[in-house]
Amino acid sequence: GEDVEQSLFLSVREGDSSVINCTYTDSSSTYLYWYKQEPGAGLQLLTYIFSNMDMKQDQRLTVLLNKKDKHLSLRIADTQTGDSAIYFCASRRASKIIFGSGTRLSIRP
Amino acid sequence: DGGITQSPKYLFRKEGQNVTLSCEQNLNHDAMYWYRQDPGQGLRLIYYSQIVNDFQKGDIAEGYSVSREKKESFPLTVTSAQKNPTAFYLCASSVADRDPYEQYFGPGTRLTVT
Repeated sequence: GEDVEQSLFLSVREGDSSVINCTYTDSSSTYLYWYKQEPGAGLQLLTYIFSNMDMKQDQRLTVLLNKKDKHLSLRIADTQTGDSAIYFCASRRASKIIFGSGTRLSIRP
Repeated sequence: DGGITQSPKYLFRKEGQNVTLSCEQNLNHDAMYWYRQDPGQGLRLIYYSQIVNDFQKGDIAEGYSVSREKKESFPLTVTSAQKNPTAFYLCASSVADRDPYEQYFGPGTRLTVT
């Protein structure tokens, strides 16, 4: 079956890097995504990576993909209070996107 | 401004009543989706539609119904048969079958049934 798993909580100090991890089971996933959800709002696509890539960098965001281990991570450099949100990992298979349960990132001063 | 609108933001209903949640998009997207979000859980797919007048059940379609009479609109009806309807409902749209298959989300409707 299709499954995407991630830990529920992460707390980091302001200015440090945050690393959010995700594992997925479907080896035929073509794209993998990171979405951000702020309180009471919909999801916003942060970044995505194609399955034949192993890294993608976009300003403060770095996505690493280990296809052999089916492991995806999102690194946020210089974490700020505005980065507080729930981050969802997701994988695409055919016309469906499968979402993980989300990691709530909290920032401490 | 292009985007997806969902209304209302908060909705309250008594048990046993059907309720319809609105979702409209002006992005000219072919595909539209309804998800349900419960605390500590990921998004679960209720229904999706790739084209007007056609839709498919997602993983948790029981107790829900949809229609897709216009490209811009994909309303979701939560029927009295849905055993646990209180949740946050999210609508999304995308260009059908074009990579990277990004889904654009509306702001959500929080439904409370008592």
